[in-house]
Order: sequence, then C-alpha cells, then structure tokens
Amino acid sequence: TQLLEQSPQFLSIQEGENLTVYCNSSSVFSSLQWYRQEPGEGPVLLVTVVTGGEVKKLKRLTFQFGDARKDSSLHITAAQPGDTGLYLCAGAGGNNRLAFGKGNQVVVIP
Amino acid sequence: DVKVTQSSRYLVKRTGEKVFLECVQDMDHENMFWYRQDPGLGLRLIYFSYDVKMKEKGDIPEGYSVSREKKERFSLILESASTNQTSMYLCASRGDRDYNEQFFGPGTRLTVL
Repeated sequence: TQLLEQSPQFLSIQEGENLTVYCNSSSVFSSLQWYRQEPGEGPVLLVTVVTGGEVKKLKRLTFQFGDARKDSSLHITAAQPGDTGLYLCAGAGGNNRLAFGKGNQVVVIP
Repeated sequence: DVKVTQSSRYLVKRTGEKVFLECVQDMDHENMFWYRQDPGLGLRLIYFSYDVKMKEKGDIPEGYSVSREKKERFSLILESASTNQTSMYLCASRGDRDYNEQFFGPGTRLTVL
C-alpha cells in the first residue's frame, strides 16, 4: 500500500501570511494531484504535477513536485480567508488507483 | 467542465435498510470510483469500475456492492445498512487519457440510525 503523509495536519494563520504544507511518501508516483475540499463538499482538483522538480503556479498557490517524485509541497502566498479548506494530495502509482493523504486542514483568519 | 452528480446530498436511513447511492458523470469517462471519508481516516476506496459491468474491490468493500450497467452511471449499494456505515460517500470519475486525475461529486452524507 502506498502511503502519503501530509504535514502539518492542521494550520491556522492570519490573513496575509504565507504558509507551506507538505506531502511525503517513500513511494515514487507517476503523477501527483492536489485537491481542495470545503466542508460538506467533494474535493476539487487544483493541479497535477508529473515531472520531477516541476513547479506549477495557480494564482497565489505554488506547487512543487520533488525531484525523485516522492514528495510535494504547496505554498500559499498572502493567504486569504477563501483559501480555508482541507488540502489533499494524491499520488498515482500505476494500479489505476490514487493513494490519498489525510489532508492539511488550513484555516485563514480574517 | 467535468460534472459528477450524486443522487442525494443528505440521506438518513435505519439499520437494516437497503440503501442505493447513485452517481452520474457526463464526460464519457471509463473509470468510476466510490470512496468513503471519515474524520481521521481520510478517503478510503470502496469499489471502482474501469468499464461497464466491470468492478474491482477497493480497500474496504465489506458490506457494500456496486453496479455499473451504463458507462455514465455507477451505483453503490448497502445491502443492510449498519451504524458504522454512517459516513460521507464520494463518487469520482476519470478518463483513461488523463494523468489519473479524478473528478469528484459533491458527496452524500449518509446517517444510519
């Protein structure tokens, strides 16, 4: 079973601050996705990274895939209350399934 | 945009009842998935299907069955609901040519009393 560990589990910051959350594994993934989930809703796909070392930006969100394709980070610049949510990472290992981490719960206080 | 819809957002059932959860996707995706999500346990795969009438067990299939008679529709069945099946149920779909990107429905919050 491929395991993805996300840290920190919970993070609370003030509006305007920066934050970084992490997704780590001992397994190599062919691709990795980040999702954001709001309470009572399904996860929404934010980005897919495929190449080791790849960096993708989505407005104030920066996603990086590790060189060895085992880990990833998500950095949010100048966080806004609308960034509040559960951030899930998921890795694809070639068995038609995704392995999901348990998530980083981010709360941005106005 | 991919759209995945689930038949109910909230459902309350009694122990022993048979429960049907329906999921429909409109992107002609080959693969469909059922997960449950519980606090502290994350998303756990119940069943998935890679083609019509095909199904494979996920990590926690006990107490559940599935049906895929049409490509766009994937049903999850609880044969005899129990209180430990109270959970958030999420359906997802994925095309064969995508980077394993799964697109989720809004979820069904099931409570079994």
